[in-house]
Amino acid sequence: GQQLNQSPQSMFIQEGEDVSMNCTSSSIFNTWLWYKQDPGEGPVLLIALYKAGELTSNGRLTAQFGITRKDSFLNISASIPSDVGIYFCAGPSAGNNRKLIWGLGTSLAVNP
Amino acid sequence: NAGVTQTPKFQVLKTGQSMTLQCAQDMNHNSMYWYRQDPGMGLRLIYYSASEGTTDKGEVPNGYNVSRLNKREFSLRLESAAPSQTSVYFCAISSGGPLTQYFGPGTRLLVL
Repeated sequence: GQQLNQSPQSMFIQEGEDVSMNCTSSSIFNTWLWYKQDPGEGPVLLIALYKAGELTSNGRLTAQFGITRKDSFLNISASIPSDVGIYFCAGPSAGNNRKLIWGLGTSLAVNP
Repeated sequence: NAGVTQTPKFQVLKTGQSMTLQCAQDMNHNSMYWYRQDPGMGLRLIYYSASEGTTDKGEVPNGYNVSRLNKREFSLRLESAAPSQTSVYFCAISSGGPLTQYFGPGTRLLVL
């Protein structure tokens, strides 16, 4: 079945550093979604990508839809303490586009 | 999490007890979902409802039942709770178009 592999599994960085994480699959995805989950809350959509090669920004966050359509990347510039949380990638299931396939997440900790 | 409400926020059950988790939305979205989140396991889909009057199984439906009461409400029932159902449960909604999901704040369930 389709799977999304996120790396790294966790990161511990200093405030002000840039962060990179990625999401890969052996299957092609037509949409990539990046969500963030703050501690004790539900996930919130950060960025949606719909086209291979697309680069989209949301403030200090930038995400890219890989040209092979099998990967996506999320970068955070100049991290701040409120960036702490779990970052998930997700994409629509090939068999049913009302269901999402989720990665296991990248947990980010920021040392002030 | 505006637009999606979940009740209760916390619940402790004894093995064998039953309970219903409630989810309601005011965003007029067609699709509603129930997920569970366990450490290291990411988000796993329990059941979903693509539209009023329909429900379908997700990855981990065993031990659960659902009811799409109307367009606004989607409930999840545990008939005989087991310790393995200790988890955080999230309800999500989507318009079904771009497949972006909006999550509620979660219900934290402990089964003893």
